Amino acid sequence: KQEVTQIPAALSVPEGENLVLNCSFTDSAIYNLQWFRQDPGKGLTSLLLIQSSQREQTSGRLNASLDKSSGRSTLYIAASQPGDSATYLCAVGDLYNFNKFYFGSGTKLNVKP
Amino acid sequence: DAGVIQSPRHEVTEMGQEVTLRCKPISGHDYLFWYRQTMMRGLELLIYFNNNVPIDDSGMPEDRFSAKMPNASFSTLKIQPSEPRDSAVYFCASSLGTGNSYEQYFGPGTRLTVT
Repeated sequence: KQEVTQIPAALSVPEGENLVLNCSFTDSAIYNLQWFRQDPGKGLTSLLLIQSSQREQTSGRLNASLDKSSGRSTLYIAASQPGDSATYLCAVGDLYNFNKFYFGSGTKLNVKP
Repeated sequence: DAGVIQSPRHEVTEMGQEVTLRCKPISGHDYLFWYRQTMMRGLELLIYFNNNVPIDDSGMPEDRFSAKMPNASFSTLKIQPSEPRDSAVYFCASSLGTGNSYEQYFGPGTRLTVT
């Protein structure tokens, strides 16, 4: 079974800092990888989705990379803002069951003003 | 579109009672997913439907859990009888499930507390 790990579990940074969140997975046979944001008491909001054939995706201040062979993905957040404070989860799509995602436990980010 | 709608947002019930959670997916989405989130186990897929048909229910923990999708705009997740260990946040999500996307859109969740 696919195992997805996110390190660190929590991260606190001052406003304006660039930061990287890490996601690793045990089985490189993936269809895609999706990064989500979860605010307290709310559902998940999709940030970026990377297909297995892609190396990276960008949206505004966010850049997600994927190295399938090494089982790693990173989410880069540039010029962090207090509004970026949330829990960030990565989810790996099963190659043989496209709609099945395995989630990491998340990184809780706090951006201090 | 209003996004994925779930009800109720909060549910508190006593052990042994039946609980029914409801979900309305985004219009036009052919796939619907039920997830459970706990501190111990994180986010787990329970079951998902394609065109109202259950495709993979391997994540449903026990026979006490059942899910239905009678039409394209409505699904229920039922727990009978409920137990304290069922306390969690239950999310519903939907997706087009086609092309190169498979991006999933989540509802706000139902926080279930079983006492």
